[in-house]
Amino acid sequence: KNEVEQSPQNLTAQEGEFITINCSYSVGISALHWLQQHPGGGIVSLFMLSSGKKKHGRLIATINIQEKHSSLHITASHPRDSAVYICAVLNGWDSGGSNYKLTFGKGTLLTVNP
Amino acid sequence: ETGVTQTPRHLVMGMTNKKSLKCEQHLGHNAMYWYKQSAKKPLELMFVYSLEERVENNSVPSRFSPECPNSSHLFLHLHTLQPEDSALYLCASSQEVLAGDNEQFFGPGTRLTVL
Repeated sequence: KNEVEQSPQNLTAQEGEFITINCSYSVGISALHWLQQHPGGGIVSLFMLSSGKKKHGRLIATINIQEKHSSLHITASHPRDSAVYICAVLNGWDSGGSNYKLTFGKGTLLTVNP
Repeated sequence: ETGVTQTPRHLVMGMTNKKSLKCEQHLGHNAMYWYKQSAKKPLELMFVYSLEERVENNSVPSRFSPECPNSSHLFLHLHTLQPEDSALYLCASSQEVLAGDNEQFFGPGTRLTVL
C-alpha cells in the first residue's frame, strides 16, 4: 500500500508570498496528480505528471521519481488561491485492470490573506 | 463549469430508502469515476468505468451499486445505507482511464446525508 504524506497540513500566507506544498510517497508510481478543492467541495485538476516539471500560470509542479517526492509551488499568491490542495499517486495500470490504485493524501489547507 | 454535472447536489435519505446519484459528462470522455469524500478523510476511489465497462471496484460494499449505461452517464444506486455513508460523492471523467498525463474533470459532487 502506498503511503502518501503531504506537508504542511495547514499553511497561512500573505498575498504575494511564494508558496510550496510537498507530497511524499512510499512506493514507486506511474503518475502523480495535484488537485485543488475549494470550500463547497468542487475539485479542479491542476497537474498530472510522471516526471520533471510542469507550469501553468502561477502554478508549478515538480516531481523527483528517485526521491519519491513532488512539490506544488504558487508564485505571487492571491486570496483566491485559498483552498485545499490534494496530492494523489497512481500505482500503475495494466490492461487487465487489476493493478489500478489511486491513493490520496489528506490535503493541505492553504489560506492566503490580503 | 468543468463539463461534468451531478444531480442531485444534496440528498437526505433514511437507511431503508433507495436512491440514485446521477453523473453526466459532456466532454466526450471514455472513462468515468465515482469517489467518496468523508469528513476529515482523504478522497477514496470507489469505481472506475472505461467504455461502459467496470474496470475497478475498490472493495466497496454492495449497498453501493454503480451503473454506466453509456460513456456519458454514470449512476450510483444507493440501498440500505448506513449513517457512516454520509459523505460528498464526486464523479469525474477523463479521456482514457487514468495513466500518464490523463487529466480528470470533476463534477460538483452530491452531499449525501443518511439519517
